[in-house]
Amino acid sequence: NAGVMQNPRHLVRRRGQEARLRCSPMKGHSHVYWYRQLPEEGLKFMVYLQKENIIDESGMPKERFSAEFPKEGPSILRIQQVVRGDSAAYFCASSVGQTSYEQYFGPGTRLTVT
Amino acid sequence: QKEVEQNSGPLSVPEGAIASLNCTYSDRVSQSFFWYRQYSGKSPELIMSIYSNGDKEDGRFTAQLNKASQYVSLLIRDSQPSDSATYLCAARRGASGGSYIPTFGRGTSLIVHP
Repeated sequence: NAGVMQNPRHLVRRRGQEARLRCSPMKGHSHVYWYRQLPEEGLKFMVYLQKENIIDESGMPKERFSAEFPKEGPSILRIQQVVRGDSAAYFCASSVGQTSYEQYFGPGTRLTVT
Repeated sequence: QKEVEQNSGPLSVPEGAIASLNCTYSDRVSQSFFWYRQYSGKSPELIMSIYSNGDKEDGRFTAQLNKASQYVSLLIRDSQPSDSATYLCAARRGASGGSYIPTFGRGTSLIVHP
């Protein structure tokens, strides 16, 4: 299966800990997008990355959140000093390129902060 | 501000009927439109994309786009209980619009009852 992969699928962290979410794009895709979804709410864009470049981080909180997509390996969304409000489903999507319109989503990581 | 509006529902239809899901968008520069299906607890799954005015058919699904009215719809013919899900509408600017990030609506919950 060459779909978008995310791990872990479920992550529990205590307040103040760090959360690391990983995303491997579909085979042949080099563009990655991270979204957050709160219960009963829509998908909110966080950050858009290409290999070694952040293209658009307009949706990402300035504090505690960071993202990277290194030359080798998966994209990582990092949340430092998590708070209860960070509890949500985090989805990664990938596309072939910048002008390719269609994004395909991974299964998501459900983050619970206790 | 770019917005995509959907009636949250639930929209309830009997099995075998046509389900009609509607979406309006505020950004006149939007060029690409997408429908995703999201089952409870799962990630969004792309089911249709449409870029030109008119209808686009794929199996039991028909997407309709009217850019003058800023309106997109999804028709599901011969609805099945397995179609019960939340349907997300998304709109995205093209390359000339300066942004590749789609804006998602909050989704319409569809219930198909036997």
